[in-house]
Amino acid sequence: QQQVKQSPQSLIVQKGGISIINCAYENTAFDYFPWYQQFPGKGPALLIAIRPDVSEKKEGRFTISFNKSAKQFSLHIMDSQPGDSATYFCAARKTNTGNQFYFGTGTSLTVIP
Amino acid sequence: DVKVTQSSRYLVKRTGEKVFLECVQDMDHENMFWYRQDPGLGLRLIYFSYDVKMKEKGDIPEGYSVSREKKERFSLILESASTNQTSMYLCASSLLEYEQYFGPGTRLTVT
Repeated sequence: QQQVKQSPQSLIVQKGGISIINCAYENTAFDYFPWYQQFPGKGPALLIAIRPDVSEKKEGRFTISFNKSAKQFSLHIMDSQPGDSATYFCAARKTNTGNQFYFGTGTSLTVIP
Repeated sequence: DVKVTQSSRYLVKRTGEKVFLECVQDMDHENMFWYRQDPGLGLRLIYFSYDVKMKEKGDIPEGYSVSREKKERFSLILESASTNQTSMYLCASSLLEYEQYFGPGTRLTVT
């Protein structure tokens, strides 16, 4: 079954708006939560990541919010731009299986000019 | 810059053929991975490898095998391709237990 649940499946946002993508997990063994960005024809690339001892991490316009008790984390893209249009994947790594990651199902973001 | 290359961007094979997908990384990474990406299902791990000649099954290993004879190269083998293996295949590598670097993907069509 899907170990990391991601929503929404698709998202359309006006330029300058805030894009929010949510993920949830059940397994408390997860210890690292990255977000990947994928453009058409390319492989995913790491965008930003967080560890569960931190509640928020910000890099430029991208912020991860992490709620350990709720087992949820989200990606916020501030001042969304057309160049942000891509597919976004959340992921989680399980400590006791080395470097195995579990990915969400992806969110297709379209930013309208 | 880390570079992960995959042997083909597009591949068309017939049902029953043996298919080899090659992946090479140039950063001396210990860990390498094969995923398949399907719409609505995200990335699903097929196999991964911690070191040369070592391999571990991921979530969907059925119908696949892998080979890692050299540290920089990780091959995915479809022993007898079937139409349900039509997909995008992504290779990734990592040095430490964190960031994975992905290749551009191979879109495989089995007819």
